[in-house]
Amino acid sequence: AQKVTQAQTEISVVEKEDVTLDCVYETRDTTYYLFWYKQPPSGELVFLIRRNSFDEQNEISGRYSWNFQKSTSSFNFTITASQVVDSAVYFCALSEDRGFMYSGGGADGLTFGKGTHLIIQP
Amino acid sequence: ETGVTQTPRHLVMGMTNKKSLKCEQHLGHNAMYWYKQSAKKPLELMFVYNFKEQTENNSVPSRFSPECPNSSHLFLHLHTLQPEDSALYLCASSAQAGLGGGQYFGPGTRLTVT
Repeated sequence: AQKVTQAQTEISVVEKEDVTLDCVYETRDTTYYLFWYKQPPSGELVFLIRRNSFDEQNEISGRYSWNFQKSTSSFNFTITASQVVDSAVYFCALSEDRGFMYSGGGADGLTFGKGTHLIIQP
Repeated sequence: ETGVTQTPRHLVMGMTNKKSLKCEQHLGHNAMYWYKQSAKKPLELMFVYNFKEQTENNSVPSRFSPECPNSSHLFLHLHTLQPEDSALYLCASSAQAGLGGGQYFGPGTRLTVT
């Protein structure tokens, strides 16, 4: 069974500080996908990034960066120079690749971590 | 209208009522999902539909009944719910099932069962 652990329940930092959100996952599959989502107070989950298990290159998008390490089963998310607008709950998620042989056509639900509530103080 | 929409945004219902949640995606996707988000619990996958066919029921009680008439619409029919069913119900869609593609979520329906 797959599992995603976000050990940090809540993080509070002052604006402009860098902050890293941790994500550790468990899966028996060799092909899988990892995601980060942001949930602002409005409630809607906003897709941030998708990474497949064969691509271990780190990625940077503006102030956001992601560090994927298969050796430690981690997919950590760093926000550089945090801003108040970054305040939200952040979820890490995992999806296994069912493959096209799966009778259901391979539809894949996400397994989410419990989320990290990030508070950026002005 | 773009993205994934859900109606109603808020719903209060008694335990003996019957109501339905609606989800519509305008992204041309073929897979749709229902998730439940309760306080202090991870988001839980409830149902998965791929090309209108249900491919996953994650041990959801029968008082929740999904319906997917086409790839753009997804319903969740509710009847004789319990107070512990109060939660945020999120709908999502993805382009092609089985490829681990990103799922795009609607704003959710905040359900309160009294």
